Amino acid sequence: GAGVSQSPSNKVTEKGKDVELRCDPISGHTALYWYRQSLGQGLEFLIYFQGNSAPDKSGLPSDRFSAERTGGSVSTLTIQRTQQEDSAVYLCASSLALRTGGFGETQYFGPGTRLLVL
Amino acid sequence: AQSVTQLDSHVSVSEGTPVLLRCNYSSSYSPSLFWYVQHPNKGLQLLLKYTSAATLVKGINGFEAEFKKSETSFHLTKPSAHMSDAAEYFCVVSALPRGQNFVFGPGTRLSVLP
Repeated sequence: GAGVSQSPSNKVTEKGKDVELRCDPISGHTALYWYRQSLGQGLEFLIYFQGNSAPDKSGLPSDRFSAERTGGSVSTLTIQRTQQEDSAVYLCASSLALRTGGFGETQYFGPGTRLLVL
Repeated sequence: AQSVTQLDSHVSVSEGTPVLLRCNYSSSYSPSLFWYVQHPNKGLQLLLKYTSAATLVKGINGFEAEFKKSETSFHLTKPSAHMSDAAEYFCVVSALPRGQNFVFGPGTRLSVLP
């Protein structure tokens, strides 16, 4: 079946511009996560959506970052007034989250969006 | 708090020799533990996971890992390395029932020499 998809696969932007990154999770998965992977680094948690609950935004690095999830499916991560340090690969993952909070659930990752801020 | 330590940032082995990638974790709760692999310019793929069942877990491509609570370890092994195993490997702990429940280790880059 279809996996997690993300678009665009690559994005080059100028410093100060806004960007939107899109994630389509696996159908039926109620939990959705955004991560950031900087060059040579591990994954940094950004935000988590679970069903209709308020998202866990505890990982967002600044108020320039925001995300929404419409209809419990597609999610958009928006970065306003991009800075060069925002350059990274942004990964989306989804899971069934049969247990509260998705504890122990396998996360399925998309291919990522590679963002370069000039 | 929970954390993951991957003791080696880079491991290099010869093709056909055993692979050992080390992972230690700390957690206040009984954890679930995962190994993910990331090939160059590819997405993250689940290799295997431990969720309080058998302590020796078998995954894809001949990999396995053993959960040792007394040592707080979850090392990844493979008896014989293949060139296609060259990739970045991430150990992950999940122990908190909330959003930030996946904590990734910094990764170990595996090189396989011919």
